[in-house]
Amino acid sequence: AQSVTQLGSHVSVSEGALVLLRCNYSSSVPPYLFWYVQYPNQGLQLLLKYTTGATLVKGINGFEAEFKKSETSFHLTKPSAHMSDAAEYFCAVSDGTQAGTALIFGKGTTLSVSS
Amino acid sequence: EAGVVQSPRYKIIEKKQPVAFWCNPISGHNTLYWYLQNLGQGPELLIRYENEEAVDDSQLPKDRFSAERLKGVDSTLKIQPAELGDSAVYLCASSRTDNEQFFGPGTRLTVL
Repeated sequence: AQSVTQLGSHVSVSEGALVLLRCNYSSSVPPYLFWYVQYPNQGLQLLLKYTTGATLVKGINGFEAEFKKSETSFHLTKPSAHMSDAAEYFCAVSDGTQAGTALIFGKGTTLSVSS
Repeated sequence: EAGVVQSPRYKIIEKKQPVAFWCNPISGHNTLYWYLQNLGQGPELLIRYENEEAVDDSQLPKDRFSAERLKGVDSTLKIQPAELGDSAVYLCASSRTDNEQFFGPGTRLTVL
């Protein structure tokens, strides 16, 4: 079975500050890992994904995440927050041995950015 | 390339009424997913299709929910009868042979 835990349901940062959103996963098979962003009344947009290969993954809008197998973590970071980054962020895992399997999502983290 | 299209975007119904949601996936995407997103929660899978075959419907409440994907393209998700607890956002997603899923904007259902 797979599961995702996002530590902190709400994170607040100042504009220009570091963004760190935490995600830990549990998987009995090699995982594929994802971060999605959701703006109000919109669907989910993929920020970045880890499948195989390089463990540091760069995504859109300046975000990146590092897959750490020993820590079962996939934390999302951005060096400098912008006001437009305020949104809901979801970490997700799927079965890396079978393409197309459903995503298991965490409960989400709301990011607030203040000026 | 057009994204995943869902309609309606919003639906308000009385309890015990039927309701249907429609999804048109990205062209060429063989896999289609319906997810349920409750307020303050992450999406949860309801059903997954590979072409026209439902390959994972273990989380679909079959007493009141049904889905179909005729011809392996568009899909419809139906609830009959709707209950108060069905109020949520219903998301459709599609993917090709890899694991990158593209999501539609969702249908927000309110059951009164």
